[in-house]
Amino acid sequence: GAGVSQSPSNKVTEKGKDVELRCDPISGHTALYWYRQSLGQGLEFLIYFQGNSAPDKSGLPSDRFSAERTGGSVSTLTIQRTQQEDSAVYLCASSKRGAGSDTQYFGPGTRLTVL
Amino acid sequence: DQQVKQNSPSLSVQEGRISILNCDYTNSMFDYFLWYKKYPAEGPTFLISISSIKDKNEDGRFTVFLNKSAKHLSLHIVPSQPGDSAVYFCAASGVYNFNKFYFGSGTKLNVKP
Repeated sequence: GAGVSQSPSNKVTEKGKDVELRCDPISGHTALYWYRQSLGQGLEFLIYFQGNSAPDKSGLPSDRFSAERTGGSVSTLTIQRTQQEDSAVYLCASSKRGAGSDTQYFGPGTRLTVL
Repeated sequence: DQQVKQNSPSLSVQEGRISILNCDYTNSMFDYFLWYKKYPAEGPTFLISISSIKDKNEDGRFTVFLNKSAKHLSLHIVPSQPGDSAVYFCAASGVYNFNKFYFGSGTKLNVKP
């Protein structure tokens, strides 16, 4: 399909381990966003990539969280030394240009459970 | 600090009637607002948006109303259909940081046949 894909769909890990979550945006979309949704909460902005510009990392909750976007396409969100409070659904979205009026297309998310 | 709030976690409506979902925001710099719909195990999908220069935007059965003075927006679905049953999120972005979106916690709508 031509939509945003994320992998894995589910990830169970032990506290203290590192995890990598992957996002494949829609081809040609220059903007890519990561959000997380904790239980009973709204979507929380984490990080935004736009083309070759420096990413907006203002939403990353701690220095254990980092993200890369290679070649302007695929993105990986890495969480080091996971904690139980990191358990959430991590959603990736892409849009054509990243302008405020651009529609964001979301992937199905990765459900992360930290035991 | 929740800048976008959806105070009703759930709403139940009879098929054919109107569904009204509400959203409040605190940041007066927000100038663009969106509604997303989310089915279980899927990502949110865009539904409708409104710019702060308007107070109403309509798309088929869906209408979004914006009351800037009250910092309030609402989504009306008329008539409601069972397929509308989903979680609805409102979101907002600001003129000085248009790529950063703030989402509410969602309202779960159940449309009963």
